[in-house]
Formats: sequence, C-alpha cells, structure tokens
Amino acid sequence: DAGVIQSPRHEVTEMGQEVTLRCKPISGHDYLFWYRQTMMRGLELLIYFNNNVPIDDSGMPEDRFSAKMPNASFSTLKIQPSEPRDSAVYFCASSLGTSGGSTDTQYFGPGTRLTVL
Amino acid sequence: GQQVMQIPQYQHVQEGEDFTTYCNSSTTLSNIQWYKQRPGGHPVFLIQLVKSGEVKKQKRLTFQFGEAKKNSSLHITATQTTDVGTYFCAGYSSASKIIFGSGTRLSIRP
Repeated sequence: DAGVIQSPRHEVTEMGQEVTLRCKPISGHDYLFWYRQTMMRGLELLIYFNNNVPIDDSGMPEDRFSAKMPNASFSTLKIQPSEPRDSAVYFCASSLGTSGGSTDTQYFGPGTRLTVL
Repeated sequence: GQQVMQIPQYQHVQEGEDFTTYCNSSTTLSNIQWYKQRPGGHPVFLIQLVKSGEVKKQKRLTFQFGEAKKNSSLHITATQTTDVGTYFCAGYSSASKIIFGSGTRLSIRP
C-alpha cells in the first residue's frame, strides 16, 4: 500500500496567487482529513469528509480556503488568494471510519510545505 | 468550545531518564489517540484508549486514560535517542469533534 499521497511536497508562491494542494487517500478509507500545522498554532483540523461529503468544516479559517472531494480517491484544498500567514505544512490524513464510541487510526500523508512570500 | 491542553510544551532529558506528557480535555472524551511526529516527518499513530481508566503498554511506553475520560498521559521509561520527536494526543468527543493537543516536543541528551 502506498499510503496517503500528497502533492506537491513543497510549494512556494507569491501573495495573491491561487494554491491547490492535492491528496489521494488510502484505498478503501471512508474518511479524509485536512490539517494545517504551524509552530504558533500547532496541528489544526481544517475539514473532514465522510464518503466524499464534507462533515465538519468549522476549522476552515476563512472564505479564502475551500476543499473538495469529487471522488473517493482524490481531494483538493485550495487557497485563493494566498497570504503569507497561510505558510504552513498542510497534512492530509485518511481513516477507515468511525463506529460507536471509537474512531479508527488516521494515516497521515507526508505533508505539503507551503511558503507564501 | 472543546479544548485539549497538553503539557509540557517541551521536555529535554538525559538519555535513560523517564518522560511523561499529559493531556487534559475540557469535556468528556469518547476516546483518545496518541501520535508521534519525528522532526520533519508526519504524525504516526501510536495507540488508542477507549475505556475509562484504561492502561496500555507498548514496550517502554505506558498510556493511561483517566477515570473521568477527560485526561490522559503517555509515560516513556528509560528514554532512548529514538524517542526524539513531538508527541500529540487527539481527543474525540461524542459529537465526533477531533481536537489535537498542542504537542510535547521531546529532545534527548545522549
């Protein structure tokens, strides 16, 4: 199994540009999560999907951020327009699903390091 | 809103010393998970605790879930240089909210 795949691994862009981050979850996993990690704010959950449907997007910082999951094997996180404060490592994770009072292990991708100049 | 506080933020120990990190939630959790992130890497799942008062061990690592299901701890006995990294707890509420703790960064003097 290839694990969770993210692209690009590094992205450097200028303020005001559109940025699109991509994620391919582990095959068969029903849940997909997008996280942002910074030194100041730690690891923050931005949004997660269940069976391609957004379940909780309360962590999305503002309207400049949007996420889509058009099918079970692909998701995007878009920032438009990007700002320097968006510089962070963005992780995608997937899991099999939740049941009862427990949740399944989240498998994280390698992350995309975004730098907005 | 729900918060998960994790302490300490940093811990620097001599190799062979013990290490403990604590997580405290403002609300009762349905379960809690622990992850380890090596420098430059991504979080990797360590363990999940579900039951009140549960204790689990993985070699030198001991994980506990409080009786009230609002706190948890990770204890490492006799640290080794391979233990270096940041340890995160992730609390899950009954409303399917997921909150990661701020992490404890462990560094070790050989």
